[in-house]
Amino acid sequence: DSGVTQTPKHLITATGQRVTLRCSPRSGDLSVYWYQQSLDQGLQFLIQYYNGEERAKGNILERFSAQQFPDLHSELNLSSLELGDSALYFCASSVEKGGGDTGELFFGEGSRLTVL
Amino acid sequence: AQKVTQAQTEISVVEKEDVTLDCVYETRDTTYYLFWYKQPPSGELVFLIRRNSFDEQNEISGRYSWNFQKSTSSFNFTITASQVVDSAVYFCALTYSGAGSYQLTFGKGTKLSVIP
Repeated sequence: DSGVTQTPKHLITATGQRVTLRCSPRSGDLSVYWYQQSLDQGLQFLIQYYNGEERAKGNILERFSAQQFPDLHSELNLSSLELGDSALYFCASSVEKGGGDTGELFFGEGSRLTVL
Repeated sequence: AQKVTQAQTEISVVEKEDVTLDCVYETRDTTYYLFWYKQPPSGELVFLIRRNSFDEQNEISGRYSWNFQKSTSSFNFTITASQVVDSAVYFCALTYSGAGSYQLTFGKGTKLSVIP
């Protein structure tokens, strides 16, 4: 158990719909990362939040957005869903203690999204 | 830009055989970190090892060992006396330590099947 909690574990929805994926990081971790794993693209970095603020952005579509709340949990919002958005979405949190940190990420079990 | 190549898409071995998973990376950064993650059939990503670019010492952990060679930009992973429980997809990943973000660049993964 990595200590990172993601809900829901499975989600089935239709094209055009909107879903929200939730992530609770490990206790004390300030950073949350979102990754997408699809058959076509493999594992791709989407976005990172650190202590409530966006810190880095990867290959995240404009239809997707994320935020991190004061209690440090994060939500990934996916809208106008397309068939190609079907994927496993991972959240990870990192042990960040300032300069010289190792960047070790602990991943949740993922949320599997199926768009029909 | 960073890139991680895992040339072996799938490997099958018979139980108790040794197996080496290859990983070649590209980066312009002088300080970076390399990782291996395991993804069993259940889907979660399990952290195996982290190595920073200044530490080229090989590491052994039980049946697992890692060989980091900066000269060839490789970070190979060997499982000794493989077991059925080692069957999984293994990902090599790379990150740089800049701007407080440790977004990982993953390889495409190597699917290891250990046959009893």
